[in-house]
Amino acid sequence: GDSVTQMEGPVTLSEEAFLTINCTYTATGYPSLFWYVQYPGEGLQLLLKATKADDKGSNKGFEATYRKETTSFHLEKGSVQVSDSAVYFCALKDSSYKLIFGSGTRLLVRP
Amino acid sequence: NAGVTQTPKFQVLKTGQSMTLQCAQDMNHEYMSWYRQDPGMGLRLIHYSVGAGITDQGEVPNGYNVSRSTTEDFPLRLLSAAPSQTSVYFCASSYGDLGYGYTFGSGTRLTVV
Repeated sequence: GDSVTQMEGPVTLSEEAFLTINCTYTATGYPSLFWYVQYPGEGLQLLLKATKADDKGSNKGFEATYRKETTSFHLEKGSVQVSDSAVYFCALKDSSYKLIFGSGTRLLVRP
Repeated sequence: NAGVTQTPKFQVLKTGQSMTLQCAQDMNHEYMSWYRQDPGMGLRLIHYSVGAGITDQGEVPNGYNVSRSTTEDFPLRLLSAAPSQTSVYFCASSYGDLGYGYTFGSGTRLTVV
């Protein structure tokens, strides 16, 4: 079945460093792809999305490009802040009405 | 705008007890789902609904029951709680076919002793 694989964390960076969190997927069709963020003690919030190949989703300085040839949707940010510390989830919408999530990657940004 | 509201936020149950986790949304969303979140396992889908009166099983439905009598409400029932159901439960809703992603509630942290 469809699945999402994320890099294991935690990822620890200094403030203003460049961030990449890898995400690859397996799907039979042409899924929509999402990144969600979860701050401590809270639910998940949609960070960005892309619905077709070569689309780039962006929000709050984060970006991710839907790469069909490599089945990837890596999350990037040029300069992270302490406030970006959270758990990040990659997800895909499969051919039905479900979102399938990766296991999450914890990001810790140090001042 | 309340969004997705889950109650209670915290609950401790004894093994064998039953309870209902409540979920309500005020956005007239058609799609609603229940997920559980366990360390290192991401979110796993328990049950979902594509409209009032229509529900279906997700990845881990055993031990849980749902119904959808109105568009707004999607309660999750634990029939006989087990320690393996200790988890954080999230309800989520979406407009349309999920191309917009889900709006999540703030979660219910359940401990079964």
